[in-house]
Amino acid sequence: DAGVIQSPRHEVTEMGQEVTLRCKPISGHDYLFWYRQTMMRGLELLIYFNNNVPIDDSGMPEDRFSAKMPNASFSTLKIQPSEPRDSAVYFCASRFQPTEAFFGQGTRLTVV
Amino acid sequence: DQQVKQNSPSLSVQEGRISILNCDYTNSMFDYFLWYKKYPAEGPTFLISISSIKDKNEDGRFTVFLNKSAKHLSLHIVPSQPGDSAVYFCASSSNTGKLIFGQGTTLQVKP
Repeated sequence: DAGVIQSPRHEVTEMGQEVTLRCKPISGHDYLFWYRQTMMRGLELLIYFNNNVPIDDSGMPEDRFSAKMPNASFSTLKIQPSEPRDSAVYFCASRFQPTEAFFGQGTRLTVV
Repeated sequence: DQQVKQNSPSLSVQEGRISILNCDYTNSMFDYFLWYKKYPAEGPTFLISISSIKDKNEDGRFTVFLNKSAKHLSLHIVPSQPGDSAVYFCASSSNTGKLIFGQGTTLQVKP
């Protein structure tokens, strides 16, 4: 398996634009997580799914953020509209409970 | 509120000495604990884990200790090597599958 795959690796967008981050988890994993890395909060959990169903989205900062997992092989995190304070590195991770989670390389988002 | 806390943002040690990284958690429902290592421009990678039924787990130079009564875990690296320089994250998991990370500690191992 190629591991968790995220795209794009880098995204630069203008304030107010819609941004979509993509993630392909490891095949067979039943949990998928979206994290945002910040200096203050470290790896901040935004939302996680179990068997494609969102379980806890309490970490999503605002209604501008949304996430979907239409099937076991794909998930998206969308920000609409984007703001400069959304600039961060976003990570996707998957696991087969209760083992360790595997992370993608991350998407560095810059909103100007 | 931060359910998993790493109170030391950074740590510097000499090569060959022991590195001790600490982590505290607040939720007694956590039953599985993990440490990850992260290099710049890469995703975090799994290092070592421990179940709540144990108080120690060792893997080569890395040992994780769990003190459930204090809700505290630590990672010991001995001997430390320059290649260990990275950001270390602790994480806690409950039976709901939720996986929460701390703020991270930047370890610098000086040659």
